[in-house]
Amino acid sequence: DAKTTQPNSMESNEEEPVHLPCNHSTISGTDYIHWYRQLPSQGPEYVIHGLTSNVNNRMASLAIAEDRKSSTLILHRATLRDAAVYYCILRKNTGGFKTIFGAGTRLFVKA
Amino acid sequence: DSGVTQTPKHLITATGQRVTLRCSPRSGDLSVYWYQQSLDQGLQFLIQYYNGEERAKGNILERFSAQQFPDLHSELNLSSLELGDSALYFCASSVGEGQGSSGNTIYFGEGSWLTVV
Repeated sequence: DAKTTQPNSMESNEEEPVHLPCNHSTISGTDYIHWYRQLPSQGPEYVIHGLTSNVNNRMASLAIAEDRKSSTLILHRATLRDAAVYYCILRKNTGGFKTIFGAGTRLFVKA
Repeated sequence: DSGVTQTPKHLITATGQRVTLRCSPRSGDLSVYWYQQSLDQGLQFLIQYYNGEERAKGNILERFSAQQFPDLHSELNLSSLELGDSALYFCASSVGEGQGSSGNTIYFGEGSWLTVV
């Protein structure tokens, strides 16, 4: 199963941008890169996903390296409500693939 | 609201007992996933079903079993419960698998808190 590597924790100031990195050096050509976040005592929620090109949505931006071996989730202006654990995962479209979440990055946001 | 419904929300039971956790996926979703999350731990993948068939298996204990019914709801059965089984159990769903599905979003329920005493 393709694996992702993320820093254990990061800290940001409120109103500042946050760049959350993820390494996925064993990614294959058909793997999509997904980001989810988990707020305290809640189930994970979808943030963004992409394949090759950078992606933007109302929550965040996803920057994907040209070789696809790494990606960065960008929160443009961190708020206190963005304090959560952020997970970077890879998803395949073949059956039998385990959708594995790593330990994620715990983001602390300071007021 | 993700559209994934899990019951019960909270459950307290004694060691050695058996419990069943139930999950109703989002309307139209064919894949169901089960995850276990112990206190301050990450999400441990247990098992995935697609349209009633088991598709992927993680580190699910032999004391645990799951199934997906024809109406697509799923149940996770936990038996001979031990103190260490106390955790938050999440169910998630996605549209399906196969060509083009790897971009499918996974939607998580709010979880079932299991406490074994």
